[in-house]
Amino acid sequence: DAGVTQSPTHLIKTRGQQVTLRCSPKSGHDTVSWYQQALGQGPQFIFQYYEEEERQRGNFPDRFSGHQFPNYSSELNVNALLLGDSALYLCASSLGPSVGFDEQFFGPGTRLTVL
Amino acid sequence: GENVEQHPSTLSVQEGDSAVIKCTYSDSASNYFPWYKQELGKRPQLIIDIRSNVGEKKDQRIAVTLNKTAKHFSLHITETQPEDSAVYFCAASNHGNQFYFGTGTSLTVIP
Repeated sequence: DAGVTQSPTHLIKTRGQQVTLRCSPKSGHDTVSWYQQALGQGPQFIFQYYEEEERQRGNFPDRFSGHQFPNYSSELNVNALLLGDSALYLCASSLGPSVGFDEQFFGPGTRLTVL
Repeated sequence: GENVEQHPSTLSVQEGDSAVIKCTYSDSASNYFPWYKQELGKRPQLIIDIRSNVGEKKDQRIAVTLNKTAKHFSLHITETQPEDSAVYFCAASNHGNQFYFGTGTSLTVIP
């Protein structure tokens, strides 16, 4: 049973650039949530996708956008990168309405460094 | 929105002792409270969760209690072992909508 996978593992970008991170959910899961985890902090909710639509959004600027594909995989895009965007980006998958969207399982994360 | 506070930020215990981590939340609509363990450089792993219709849940050495009236929930680890050393995060959610995480507790179990 494949768990949540993310790519790439690490990424280094410079300020002003754009980045795309990818996530494949756990087998059978249809909902994907994205989180930003700064060093020494808890994960901060960015947004959640279900049925290819953004269902919920946290307090992040429009520079952060996403997409969900018909196979439930998802992308996180960040434009105009800032130094403060350096963090571990975590993807979590869960089942949708059948179990109330809870019980999230996390991927290994993508470590983004902005120079 | 929801605000989750977690205490203590660091906790050291002797092997075999118990460890307790406490969290409070502000939104009475929150109904799902998971706990995650995150080892250095690894993903958060769900270790136990509780829903608002239950007051206590146990899984071997781990237990979680929930007090809806006071809006707080706690993680209890008994007979701690060195491999329990990690950062533990609590979280609160309303039907799987936005998950709000605490700031984490770094647990060290001293052999």
